[in-house]
Amino acid sequence: KAGVTQTPRYLIKTRGQQVTLSCSPISGHRSVSWYQQTPGQGLQFLFEYFSETQRNKGNFPGRFSGRQFSNSRSEMNVSTLELGDSALYLCASSLGLANEQFFGPGTRLTVL
Amino acid sequence: ILNVEQSPQSLHVQEGDSTNFTCSFPSSNFYALHWYRWETAKSPEALFVMTLNGDEKKKGRISATLNTKEGYSYLYIKGSQPEDSATYLCASLSGNTPLVFGKGTRLSVIA
Repeated sequence: KAGVTQTPRYLIKTRGQQVTLSCSPISGHRSVSWYQQTPGQGLQFLFEYFSETQRNKGNFPGRFSGRQFSNSRSEMNVSTLELGDSALYLCASSLGLANEQFFGPGTRLTVL
Repeated sequence: ILNVEQSPQSLHVQEGDSTNFTCSFPSSNFYALHWYRWETAKSPEALFVMTLNGDEKKKGRISATLNTKEGYSYLYIKGSQPEDSATYLCASLSGNTPLVFGKGTRLSVIA
């Protein structure tokens, strides 16, 4: 069974720009969650989508948004990028948050 | 917002030693506790998902226990090997709140 894929793997942007990250879950998984990892911080939950609906949201500003398509693929968008948005963004797919999360390889975003 | 604490922050052990780390989480409205292993340059990989008080799970040399009443879980590694070197993360799911991860315990096993 193919694993979770994320594109792109690396991204360099400048302040003020916007970025879209993509995540393709494991076949059959309807839950996709997004996480941010910054140095010194644990994984911070961004949001979870289940069957195209945002089911949970973390404590992030409105510049962070996402969506899920009918094939369960998900995108995350960050608008008006700030230097502090530089991080590793991981997505995970699962049967739900109470089930084990299968993580993708991540997208490393650098904001200059 | 939940606070999930892990201790110690880092740990160095000799090959063959057994070790354990702690994850503490708010016990109210508890739903599930996850453990993950995160090796350098890889993605986090699930070890266990535990839901019941008193749960004990085992996978090879690694095992975990759960106490939902007092809000803690222990992860044990028996006979540590260099390939066990990784960051071990726990995450708590409560009520309608999303998964909250601790900052992890970084384990280094010295051959």
